Amino acid sequence: AQRVTQPEKLLSVFKGAPVELKCNYSYSGSPELFWYVQYSRQRLQLLLRHISRESIKGFTADLNKGETSFHLKKPFAQEEDSAMYYCALRGGTSYGKLTFGQGTILTVHP
Amino acid sequence: DAGITQSPRYKITETGRQVTLMCHQTWSHSYMFWYRQDLGHGLRLIYYSAAADITDKGEVPDGYVVSRSKTENFPLTLESATRSQTSVYFCASSDTYSNQPQHFGDGTRLSIL
Repeated sequence: AQRVTQPEKLLSVFKGAPVELKCNYSYSGSPELFWYVQYSRQRLQLLLRHISRESIKGFTADLNKGETSFHLKKPFAQEEDSAMYYCALRGGTSYGKLTFGQGTILTVHP
Repeated sequence: DAGITQSPRYKITETGRQVTLMCHQTWSHSYMFWYRQDLGHGLRLIYYSAAADITDKGEVPDGYVVSRSKTENFPLTLESATRSQTSVYFCASSDTYSNQPQHFGDGTRLSIL
């Protein structure tokens, strides 16, 4: 079975502060990990995936297989980063299905 | 991503009624998915489809029916709506499962009174 845990439902930071959204997963094989972002009442958008190892909107995420984590980080948060963030996992034999975490609502205060 | 559209965007109905949510994608993606989004639960998979005429249950399929007669359409039907099915429903598609992400529609906000 595969499982994704985002321990923080809510996260508040001030503009310019570093931010880290935690994601831990449980999966026996080699997973694909994703971060999706949902701005207020909009569709989910792909933010990052671990195979790309890229930085989008200043966010990065590193897959740590030893700790089974895929935390999302940004050194200097901006007000426009306020959104719901979902971590998601896709297993190798799951026919493309994603398992999502519960989501973290990030609020960046001015 | 205008390639995947959901309709209606908002729907209010009564318990016991049948309601169908539509999903249409223009990319000819093989895989399509229906999720429901609820606070505290994140997104949970209802049904998915690997190709036309191939569908399978996800995590929370009870009370829902899907069909996929054409690659581009994947309607979701609530046969007899219940209040617990009040939610935001998202449709998604992906090209293959190997390394392509899922693309999501705008969602349908469904309220059952």
